[in-house]
Amino acid sequence: AQSVTQLDSQVPVFEEAPVELRCNYSSSVSVYLFWYVQYPNQGLQLLLKYLSGSTLVKGINGFEAEFNKSQTSFHLRKPSVHISDTAEYFCAVSDLGGANNLFFGTGTRLTVIP
Amino acid sequence: DGGITQSPKYLFRKEGQNVTLSCEQNLNHDAMYWYRQDPGQGLRLIYYSQIVNDFQKGDIAEGYSVSREKKESFPLTVTSAQKNPTAFYLCASSPRTGGLYEQYFGPGTRLTVT
Repeated sequence: AQSVTQLDSQVPVFEEAPVELRCNYSSSVSVYLFWYVQYPNQGLQLLLKYLSGSTLVKGINGFEAEFNKSQTSFHLRKPSVHISDTAEYFCAVSDLGGANNLFFGTGTRLTVIP
Repeated sequence: DGGITQSPKYLFRKEGQNVTLSCEQNLNHDAMYWYRQDPGQGLRLIYYSQIVNDFQKGDIAEGYSVSREKKESFPLTVTSAQKNPTAFYLCASSPRTGGLYEQYFGPGTRLTVT
């Protein structure tokens, strides 16, 4: 079975500073990895995903993530954050094949401080 | 515009009453899902459906029921047996089941039971 750990429940960062949101997963099989963003009182929107190939994945809004198989991590990064990046971010994992069940982490609330 | 709609956005019910949450998609997706979101717990899968007239229990199905009579619709009923029904409910869909496919989320329904 898969599980996802987001170690930081809240991350405050000043505007234009870099940010890294951490995600670690555990799985006995190969996985697909996702980052979703949720703005207040809204649904989730896909930021980026890793399916195969290059371990550095670029997504929307200037975000990127790097898949590290040896460390079972998929950390999300942005070199310079904006006020509009304030939201909750969820890491999710899905195994290859089978039902399309996503296992979500508990989320990281990013607050960008002006 | 293609997408997923959930109605209503806010719903209030008295304890002991059943309530049905609506989810409609016009993306022509085969698979649909219901998640429950509680603060600090991320998203948890309630039910999913891979095809019309078929659905499977997720991790927290007790106290909930669903139907899938049409491809476009996947309503969720929160029954009086659900002990803690107050939560934010999210519906999602994907083209097929299988970890390869991205899930698309609706805007959510916030249910409050008093």
